[in-house]
Amino acid sequence: TQLLEQSPQFLSIQEGENLTVYCNSSSVFSSLQWYRQEPGEGPVLLVTVVTGGEVKKLKRLTFQFGDARKDSSLHITAAQPGDTGLYLCAGGDFNKFYFGSGTKLNVKP
Amino acid sequence: GAGVSQSPSNKVTEKGKDVELRCDPISGHTALYWYRQSLGQGLEFLIYFQGNSAPDKSGLPSDRFSAERTGGSVSTLTIQRTQQEDSAVYLCASSFGAPGTGGQETQYFGPGTRLLVL
Repeated sequence: TQLLEQSPQFLSIQEGENLTVYCNSSSVFSSLQWYRQEPGEGPVLLVTVVTGGEVKKLKRLTFQFGDARKDSSLHITAAQPGDTGLYLCAGGDFNKFYFGSGTKLNVKP
Repeated sequence: GAGVSQSPSNKVTEKGKDVELRCDPISGHTALYWYRQSLGQGLEFLIYFQGNSAPDKSGLPSDRFSAERTGGSVSTLTIQRTQQEDSAVYLCASSFGAPGTGGQETQYFGPGTRLLVL
């Protein structure tokens, strides 16, 4: 059973389009992280959201943490080919840390 | 400062042999994690160390897998009698705080060890 469910699993869009990736759980997390992973590399942290309802912006990326701290979303505005990669959400609970299954994003020029 | 380092970066071994993977966490980080990632898949949690406390081993795939963390710093993941299904990228991460501590649980990853069992 996947504690963190991500959707969509795959996304292929044209450069300039907007997109949203969702991360949902039935569990409450003290914080959620979003990572981006490129082929052959380890995941790299994009952002950590801690407070319910929190919104963080990182250039063209907007991250939101749900009010109940069970879900999060990542919105990319005007996607660019450099945004291509695997996007992972993650959260911790006591002795375990959970990652979502990931969203593979391909932005075509 | 230096990030998380892992060695070797690549390992090719024969079925049935033992392998040892090493992880050097970021200095000052108390938490250390091991994950496994198969090609094109998400991360599978294996084990987590918090300081010098005994880890929860329930995430390890089988009793052929073991992990140690010496002196609360360097960690080794050992796979005995390797099987072809053990082939994957093994990722190590460290964090300042434990899971459930809010922003301090953010993990920083090493580049991984790519294991291929022939």
